Amino acid sequence: GAVVSQHPSWVICKSGTSVKIECRSLDFQATTMFWYRQFPKQSLMLMATSNEGSKATYEQGVEKDKFLINHASLTLSTLTVTSAHPEDSSFYICSAAKGGLVTEAFFGQGTRLTVV
Amino acid sequence: GQQLNQSPQSMFIQEGEDVSMNCTSSSIFNTWLWYKQDPGEGPVLLIALYKAGELTSNGRLTAQFGITRKDSFLNISASIPSDVGIYFCAGRFSGGSQGNLIFGKGTKLSVKP
Repeated sequence: GAVVSQHPSWVICKSGTSVKIECRSLDFQATTMFWYRQFPKQSLMLMATSNEGSKATYEQGVEKDKFLINHASLTLSTLTVTSAHPEDSSFYICSAAKGGLVTEAFFGQGTRLTVV
Repeated sequence: GQQLNQSPQSMFIQEGEDVSMNCTSSSIFNTWLWYKQDPGEGPVLLIALYKAGELTSNGRLTAQFGITRKDSFLNISASIPSDVGIYFCAGRFSGGSQGNLIFGKGTKLSVKP
């Protein structure tokens, strides 16, 4: 399989600050990356689809101004949680697609965000 | 909206036993995927299914894409302690966008040595 690296693995931040999470495909170029959010003991919910060189596509109910996504290169997408609140605390996971099809997507190890 | 029903929600089994879990959807899917997630980690792809009726194995794991295209099952044979984790089914339904991978709620597997 392919390797997707997510950084940081965990982060604690104060309310009102912004946090950036990086998702890198290490051994392949990913034209498409996906960002998910997972609450404890729940399933993964797709937040947005990130396409290299273009604007991200957000799922219904996801605030694009709060969750800023940048996919500046074929190996890196970033998710910035702006003006974080405690309710933003969650496990954020990215996946990267080799050929643009979700069926060939591989997941990062996730980022545990805690907002205090 | 699209829904995926995954069952059972949790399983407690003895080492060496076989395990079976399944997912059903309200719509026709054109891809079924099975993932395993360990605590604090991202999901790891176990098996991908692309055609109705397809039966695919990966070691002790076997998964099938249902003929109706609305269901899939995953079997684990001769379970071992390292099989412990949460197993998710996921799929893309016909007509869905490329990024719209829907996940089941997961099956938590516990294996008693």
